[in-house]
Amino acid sequence: DAGVIQSPRHEVTEMGQEVTLRCKPISGHDYLFWYRQTMMRGLELLIYFNNNVPIDDSGMPEDRFSAKMPNASFSTLKIQPSEPRDSAVYFCASRRPGLGGTGELFFGEGSRLTVL
Amino acid sequence: KNQVEQSPQSLIILEGKNCTLQCNYTVSPFSNLRWYKQDTGRGPVSLTIMTFSENTKSNGRYTATLDADTKQSSLHITASQLSDSASYICVVTSQTGANNLFFGTGTRLTVIP
Repeated sequence: DAGVIQSPRHEVTEMGQEVTLRCKPISGHDYLFWYRQTMMRGLELLIYFNNNVPIDDSGMPEDRFSAKMPNASFSTLKIQPSEPRDSAVYFCASRRPGLGGTGELFFGEGSRLTVL
Repeated sequence: KNQVEQSPQSLIILEGKNCTLQCNYTVSPFSNLRWYKQDTGRGPVSLTIMTFSENTKSNGRYTATLDADTKQSSLHITASQLSDSASYICVVTSQTGANNLFFGTGTRLTVIP
């Protein structure tokens, strides 16, 4: 399997612009997570889906952030409008079904976002 | 409050030396603890998982320990190599709650020749 695939790997944009990050989870995994990583705060959960349904979005910082999972093989994280404080690395991760909360997370390579 | 704390924040060691990374947690009820390795510019990858009944588990030169009574875990790296340079993240899973994964902020290890 190719693993979790994220795009773009790097994004540089100007404040106020819309940013869309994309993720393709591992086939057969039924959980998908979006994390944000910064030096100061480490990995923070933004939102996660189970069987394409958003379960917990309490980590989404504000209304500027939205996430969708239209099908089992694709998810997007959108920031509109973007701000400099959104600069971070955004990771997508997926997990196999049937293991509850004990299963290993498989992370993508991340999308490094810089907002000028 | 469920928390995971790691120490040290960063560590520099000479190639060939051993080192130990620490993880203390207050997560309850405990399910398991994983150590992830994150190379620069990459996503984290699981090294090992510790469940309540396990005290020690090895994965090559990596040995993880768990003391469920004191809620402490360590990751010992033997005969370090340059490729061990990475961040090591401790993740504790709770048995309950919709969002049941708790992350430490990681230890940044640098191995120098």
